[in-house]
Amino acid sequence: EPEVTQTPSHQVTQMGQEVILRCVPISNHLYFYWYRQILGQKVEFLVSFYNNEISEKSEIFDDQFSVERPDGSNFTLKIRSTKLEDSAMYFCASSAQTVGNEQYFGPGTRLTVT
Amino acid sequence: ILNVEQSPQSLHVQEGDSTNFTCSFPSSNFYALHWYRWETAKSPEALFVMTLNGDEKKKGRISATLNTKEGYSYLYIKGSQPEDSATYLCASINNAGNMLTFGGGTRLMVKP
Repeated sequence: EPEVTQTPSHQVTQMGQEVILRCVPISNHLYFYWYRQILGQKVEFLVSFYNNEISEKSEIFDDQFSVERPDGSNFTLKIRSTKLEDSAMYFCASSAQTVGNEQYFGPGTRLTVT
Repeated sequence: ILNVEQSPQSLHVQEGDSTNFTCSFPSSNFYALHWYRWETAKSPEALFVMTLNGDEKKKGRISATLNTKEGYSYLYIKGSQPEDSATYLCASINNAGNMLTFGGGTRLMVKP
């Protein structure tokens, strides 16, 4: 069964560094998403992406964050100048269509900022 | 900003017991309600997507109902098995966009 994959599974970085989290969505899906979960808190929406542009973003998704689909398969989240509070589990998801469709999640990347 | 709440936070049941838990969400501008099953170290797995008031969906021993007028959904598990142990997440979407707003989850532990 097709699945969403994410790399790396765990990323440790120093405060102030840039990180790129990578995702390979399901191949025929058109909508892509990033979510995060800070330890002990709810899963939070960051951004959705369709047709090579951001379709929606939350207040969390400020200028520190950017997303890109550099080729036909990868979907990346870049976090510039990381802060301690960026430490979280980051999930990528994809769906065939928007809104009423299931979103298929990857296993997540645990980001630890020291 | 939507506020989605789930109760209880955690639940311990014996194998064979049936159980249910609740997701409450704002009923205004409601579009869809998603349920996910999330086992530790795995990807959250989609269980149901429900949109219409009165919707009932079933997958094996798991079923869900939806009341959009009062803003709640129930998830039922009949004859719980140890492999049902997981965190069950609900998430709501309103018609303003396509972002899922998650509840805090219900952590279910089924003892053999």
